Amino acid sequence: GAVVSQHPSRVICKSGTSVKIECRSLDFQATTMFWYRQFPKQSLMLMATSNEGSKATYEQGVEKDKFLINHASLTLSTLTVTSAHPEDSSFYICSARVPGKVNEQFFGPGTRLTVL
Amino acid sequence: QKEVEQDPGPLSVPEGAIVSLNCTYSNSAFQYFMWYRQYSRKGPELLMYTYSSGNKEDGRFTAQVDKSSKYISLFIRDSQPSDSATYLCAMVGGGNKLTFGTGTQLKVEL
Repeated sequence: GAVVSQHPSRVICKSGTSVKIECRSLDFQATTMFWYRQFPKQSLMLMATSNEGSKATYEQGVEKDKFLINHASLTLSTLTVTSAHPEDSSFYICSARVPGKVNEQFFGPGTRLTVL
Repeated sequence: QKEVEQDPGPLSVPEGAIVSLNCTYSNSAFQYFMWYRQYSRKGPELLMYTYSSGNKEDGRFTAQVDKSSKYISLFIRDSQPSDSATYLCAMVGGGNKLTFGTGTQLKVEL
């Protein structure tokens, strides 16, 4: 149980284009999902908290107009990187909180974004 | 000062060795402590989850928490090459957000 998937696993795009990443909880309903960013050999940095049916809460320093988050259902959250630039190249990972287990998060396999 | 400090390694040990991984923290509000394992280019996988000070054992893994010293450890017994990965400690306080250490890269050699 507690499986989280992400799609795509890898994406390469040109500078200026937008990229959408999907995060799905496969065997449970997740009212809260999280989006992280990880640079090589660095830890995970929380970008935003996504609650189903409401606006995402962004961490300080994260541009909400650049990183659009939508949590339209209890099993799906999406992150759209708008007008991507090479500095947005990174490993993006989502996680979902299991209902009733407030302090446990299960992570997706991650999406590697490369912006040329 | 970072809220969570973790030696990035790399740590290289022979197969069968006991591995000790550690994190220190400065925020007294942290109440829950986790260890995640992350293989290269994959998402983190939850290994252990503890709340109180003391030890918690799961197979070859033992998590130890010392809240008075703000120090947590993960011990791996009889280490295997398949244990080679990056190990991340993570902590949660009142805000329910995970704060991660930088991760320790472990390599278990044959």
